[in-house]
Amino acid sequence: GESVGLHLPTLSVQEGDNSIINCAYSNSASDYFIWYKQESGKGPQFIIDIRSNMDKRQGQRVTVLLNKTVKHLSLQIAATQPGDSAVYFCAETGTDKLIFGTGTRLQVFP
Amino acid sequence: DAGVIQSPRHEVTEMGQEVTLRCKPISGHNSLFWYRQTMMRGLELLIYFNNNVPIDDSGMPEDRFSAKMPNASFSTLKIQPSEPRDSAVYFCASSLAWAVGVAFFGQGTRLTVV
Repeated sequence: GESVGLHLPTLSVQEGDNSIINCAYSNSASDYFIWYKQESGKGPQFIIDIRSNMDKRQGQRVTVLLNKTVKHLSLQIAATQPGDSAVYFCAETGTDKLIFGTGTRLQVFP
Repeated sequence: DAGVIQSPRHEVTEMGQEVTLRCKPISGHNSLFWYRQTMMRGLELLIYFNNNVPIDDSGMPEDRFSAKMPNASFSTLKIQPSEPRDSAVYFCASSLAWAVGVAFFGQGTRLTVV
């Protein structure tokens, strides 16, 4: 069996607080970035996206920030709720392939 | 639309047996992706199709893995012969070709090879 696995970074936040999940990407040619949420036992689900000609995009309770200089992407969740508990993946596509990062586990406690 | 439909949801098989995973993409989507998710490697892209044509299969781990898309509404991922290290959750996803970032995933097939 597997004795060594990916060490998923974990972010623990209290309900109502804001969450910030970070992601570093390596491909300078990537021009489109996406955040996905994966709940236990389910497939990843699209949350929000951003193109490389932007540095910020807002959705409902979520904001994505892109810093191309340092190849860094972040997802901010306002007023975190128990239903936000999941693994969050950043993904990138420079051509027509969707490539996922390793993910961050978000745990929300009351 | 019911979303991306995968079958079976769970599969337990013995080493050496052939395994076939099935996927029905969302109607109208012309890109289809197969991913494998494990604790060791995370979410790996195995292969993807555009308009039923395989575009990039560089993620397929070995010749034991093969994928087909005979029409726009059906795809299979086959492993023959299966090995214990193939145990993983296999996801199928579909999207519009011009919006591959907005992919819709199925519920996955949890494969256990004993």
